[in-house]
Amino acid sequence: DSGVTQTPKHLITATGQRVTLRCSPRSGDLSVYWYQQSLDQGLQFLIQYYNGEERAKGNILERFSAQQFPDLHSELNLSSLELGDSALYFCASSVGQTQETQYFGPGTRLLVL
Amino acid sequence: AQTVTQSQPEMSVQEAETVTLSCTYDTSESDYYLFWYKQPPSRQMILVIRQEAYKQQNATENRFSVNFQKAAKSFSLKISDSQLGDAAMYFCAYRRMGSARQLTFGSGTQLTVLP
Repeated sequence: DSGVTQTPKHLITATGQRVTLRCSPRSGDLSVYWYQQSLDQGLQFLIQYYNGEERAKGNILERFSAQQFPDLHSELNLSSLELGDSALYFCASSVGQTQETQYFGPGTRLLVL
Repeated sequence: AQTVTQSQPEMSVQEAETVTLSCTYDTSESDYYLFWYKQPPSRQMILVIRQEAYKQQNATENRFSVNFQKAAKSFSLKISDSQLGDAAMYFCAYRRMGSARQLTFGSGTQLTVLP
């Protein structure tokens, strides 16, 4: 158990819908990272937050957004869902911006039908 | 942009034997980190080992060790005394030092351990 929690574990929804994925980092970790794992794209970085502020953006679609709240939990919002958004979404956390190791949560498996 | 290449999509090893998984990367940076993560059927991403580029000594964690060749940009993982529980997808990952600290992953190597 990495100490990073993600909810829900599984999510099934329809095209065009909007979903919210939630992540709670390890106690004391200020940085949260979101990654997407899909069969065709592999593991891709989406976005990073540090202590409530966006720090880095990767291959995140405009239909996707995220935020980190004062209690340091983070939410990833996916809207206007398409079939291709079906993937495993991971959250990872690290202590700060210089701490080199990221610890991953169990992931949320999203299926868009 | 940094890239990470794992040229072995699948590998197999007999239980108790040793196996080496390959990884190469491309970067113009001199300081960075390299990692191996394991993803078992549960899909959890588990850190196996990490290497700091400025350290010449190869990292070791119990039965797991790396062969880090900085000039060749090579970072292989050796698993000794393989166990059934080692069966998983293994991902090599790169992380630069600096303001952008996300991980860049390779495509993975699926390791099968044969009893």
